[in-house]
Amino acid sequence: EAGVAQSPRYKIIEKRQSVAFWCNPISGHATLYWYQQILGQGPKLLIQFQNNGVVDDSQLPKDRFSAERLKGVDSTLKIQPAKLEDSAVYLCASSPGLTAYEQYFGPGTRLTVT
Amino acid sequence: SQQGEEDPQALSIQEGENATMNCSYKTSINNLQWYRQNSGRGLVHLILIRSNEREKHSGRLRVTLDTSKKSSSLLITASRAADTASYFCATIAYSGAGSYQLTFGKGTKLSVIP
Repeated sequence: EAGVAQSPRYKIIEKRQSVAFWCNPISGHATLYWYQQILGQGPKLLIQFQNNGVVDDSQLPKDRFSAERLKGVDSTLKIQPAKLEDSAVYLCASSPGLTAYEQYFGPGTRLTVT
Repeated sequence: SQQGEEDPQALSIQEGENATMNCSYKTSINNLQWYRQNSGRGLVHLILIRSNEREKHSGRLRVTLDTSKKSSSLLITASRAADTASYFCATIAYSGAGSYQLTFGKGTKLSVIP
């Protein structure tokens, strides 16, 4: 079974630039999550999708972050404009259902904002 | 915000020894999970313990849960160099609107010396 795919793996941008991350979840998984993991900390949930609808985006900085899930499958997370404090690993995860009992994580995208 | 707090933050042991990591949390939970993260990679689900369970085993892993103290521990027996990774506890709680939220602690960095 193919795992969660993410691209790019690494990205370096200057502050105030824009960046987009892509995620392809495990086939058939209805729920998709984006997390932000700052160095030395645990992942923090940014947004949760159920199929193509948003379930929880309470911790997403909506003034600069946006996310969408196309046709209930792939998802993109965008930052515009980026700040220095956005430097982190962005993890995508998927799970079969809404209860999130077990999540399957992709390798992440390491973003460095200079 | 981070719900769980792991202790210790870092742990270094010799191969063959046992490793114990602790996690404390603040609010009521439905269940608790432990994840492993190898350097530069995504998280891998290790084990889930439900709020009505006190102990659970999986191979060399033993997890305990004390809901009265709001704490959990992960024991890895007969450690191997391949166990070197960061370990995170994650609590699951109902967040309203039919959704559950996974909240991670800051993690324990385990180093197993061959």
